[in-house]
Amino acid sequence: QLQLQESGPGLVKPSETLSLTCTVSGGSISSSSYYWGWIRQPPGKGLEWIGSIYYSGSTYYNPSLKSRVTISVDTSKNQFSLKLSSVTAADTAVYYCARHVRVAGTEFDYWGQGTLVTVSS
Amino acid sequence: QSVLTQPPSASGTPGQRVTISCSGSSSNIGSNTVNWYQQLPGTAPKLLIYSNNQRPSGVPDRFSGSKSGTSASLAISGLQSEDEADYYCAAWDDSLGVVFGGGTKLTVL
Repeated sequence: QLQLQESGPGLVKPSETLSLTCTVSGGSISSSSYYWGWIRQPPGKGLEWIGSIYYSGSTYYNPSLKSRVTISVDTSKNQFSLKLSSVTAADTAVYYCARHVRVAGTEFDYWGQGTLVTVSS
Repeated sequence: QSVLTQPPSASGTPGQRVTISCSGSSSNIGSNTVNWYQQLPGTAPKLLIYSNNQRPSGVPDRFSGSKSGTSASLAISGLQSEDEADYYCAAWDDSLGVVFGGGTKLTVL
C-alpha cells in the first residue's frame, strides 16, 4: 500500500522560506506513470494546487505561486520536496503531498495526512 | 474566488438524494475531465469520482458523477450520516493547471 508522509517545520517566520519533504513508501517515486504533487488548504478554506513534479525533474507550477515555488525530487531517497519563499501569513495552511496520476489531469489518488505550517514571527 | 464554482452548502435527510453542482468554463470543465473529492472532518481529501463519472475501487455506487458542457454534478443517493463532509470538484485548466472548486459542505439532517 502506497503511503506518503509530509515532514518539516510547523512554524516559519514571515519573509523566510518554507521547506517540506514528502517521503513515499510502499512504491517507487520513479514509476514512469505518475507525477507527485503538493496541495495546500488554509484553515477553514478550500484546496489550492501548488505544483507537481515527475521523477525526471519535470515540473508544473500554479502560475499564481510560480515565482516563489520550487519542487524537487530525490529518487535515491524516494522523496520530493517543496520550497516556498518569501512567505506571509497568507501561506499558513495544511500542506498535503499526493500522487498525481497524470499531467493535465487532476486525479490525486494517494495523499499524505497533511502538515500544518504556520507563518508567524 | 475559485475558478470552479460550487454552492457553499448542501443538505439532505438520510435516504435522500442530493446533488452538488460545479460550474466552470471552456478552458477547464469544457475541455477536460472532472474529478470529485470527499474530505471528512480533520482528514485528507479522498478521490471520490475521476474522469467525470468513474468510481475508484471501494467507493460505493451511491456516488455518481456527470458532466455536461462547462458544468458537472456529483450525486449522492441513499444519503447516510457518514456522508457528511466537504466535497470538492477539480479540473485541469488549460492556462492555470489544476483548479479546484471552493468546496461544498454537506450536512445530513
